[in-house]
Amino acid sequence: DGGITQSPKYLFRKEGQNVTLSCEQNLNHDAMYWYRQDPGQGLRLIYYSQIVNDFQKGDIAEGYSVSREKKESFPLTVTSAQKNPTAFYLCASSPPGVNTEAFFGQGTRLTVV
Amino acid sequence: KQEVTQIPAALSVPEGENLVLNCSFTDSAIYNLQWFRQDPGKGLTSLLLIQSSQREQTSGRLNASLDKSSGRSTLYIAASQPGDSATYLCAVQDGGFKTIFGAGTRLFVKA
Repeated sequence: DGGITQSPKYLFRKEGQNVTLSCEQNLNHDAMYWYRQDPGQGLRLIYYSQIVNDFQKGDIAEGYSVSREKKESFPLTVTSAQKNPTAFYLCASSPPGVNTEAFFGQGTRLTVV
Repeated sequence: KQEVTQIPAALSVPEGENLVLNCSFTDSAIYNLQWFRQDPGKGLTSLLLIQSSQREQTSGRLNASLDKSSGRSTLYIAASQPGDSATYLCAVQDGGFKTIFGAGTRLFVKA
């Protein structure tokens, strides 16, 4: 049963803490993405990776970091430098090339307490 | 800079009605346009993908059209059902291989 798994579903962070969101896919996709979704807004791209050991900043990368050591995994760390981290985070993957559909995980809701 | 706008932001219709959701984009240099469905607190599910050379795509009760020159796409839902209630997002993939999303249209179908 192929798909994208994000964990945890809910995450609470204290001020000044770093937290890591997990994203794993078994679709054998080369490209993986992290998006942030805020109420009433479209998804905004944080980071993306087209291939293992390579990743690029998206539109709102400040305060976030990623790694891509394995094809299946693309974890996102929300650092203490991210001043407004409360949001819904979505991970996606797609096959290589253009005109390919993106597949999304079920999301992680991060709340600062 | 590519911008994607969806109108209306929210829509409520009685069951059985046919409806149209609108999406517009500012730069016509796109590879494709994709329509997604999002249920509350969930991820996105791809509904239809229209390549830039295509005019429309159909899947069941859904039909999406694309007019690249005018920067517009519509999603037509026939014979709406309460199970269609969700947020519908459109997204364009531009020449930089990035996908830019609209804010979505929240649809509520009343039984």
